[in-house]
Amino acid sequence: KAGVTQTPRYLIKTRGQQVTLSCSPISGHRSVSWYQQTPGQGLQFLFEYFSETQRNKGNFPGRFSGRQFSNSRSEMNVSTLELGDSALYLCASSLVAGAETQYFGPGTRLLVL
Amino acid sequence: AQSVSQHNHHVILSEAASLELGCNYSYGGTVNLFWYVQYPGQHLQLLLKYFSGDPLVKGIKGFEAEFIKSKFSFNLRKPSVQWSDTAEYFCAVNSNTNAGKSTFGDGTTLTVKP
Repeated sequence: KAGVTQTPRYLIKTRGQQVTLSCSPISGHRSVSWYQQTPGQGLQFLFEYFSETQRNKGNFPGRFSGRQFSNSRSEMNVSTLELGDSALYLCASSLVAGAETQYFGPGTRLLVL
Repeated sequence: AQSVSQHNHHVILSEAASLELGCNYSYGGTVNLFWYVQYPGQHLQLLLKYFSGDPLVKGIKGFEAEFIKSKFSFNLRKPSVQWSDTAEYFCAVNSNTNAGKSTFGDGTTLTVKP
């Protein structure tokens, strides 16, 4: 099976712009979670989607949003970008929501100038 | 709220040395525990996991971890490290009711000298 794929892999934006990142889970997986990884804060949970519904949300401002489509693909959007949003954004998929292992994608590295 | 503490931020070992990375978690309910590894330039990979049963779990590449419930610990071990084990290691926890929301430790960078 193909693993979790994320597009784009690299992105450069300027402050104030918005960005949309995409994640395709492993085939058959219905749960998608997003994480932000930075050197200072480590890996922090953003949100989780299952069956097109947001199940959990981390402590991030409303500028961070996401959605999931009927084919389980997910997108996250960050509006009004700030320098501090520069990070590696990781997507993880699992078969269902519940006691399942998450499988991580390669991430999208976002640089905000 | 869940929290995970990894005691060592950076560990330097020579090849063939034994490894133990500490991980303690804080959570009041039933937890699932994981160790992930991130090799330079690569994405997070699962090393091993504990859901229930035998508290000593074996993972890939000769790694193992022991869940000690009374100590809220899930330490990672390897008897003899190799240069190729140089990577960042993350301990993570989630719960049965919130498995899509994992809490990660800050990570431990392991450098193995040839």
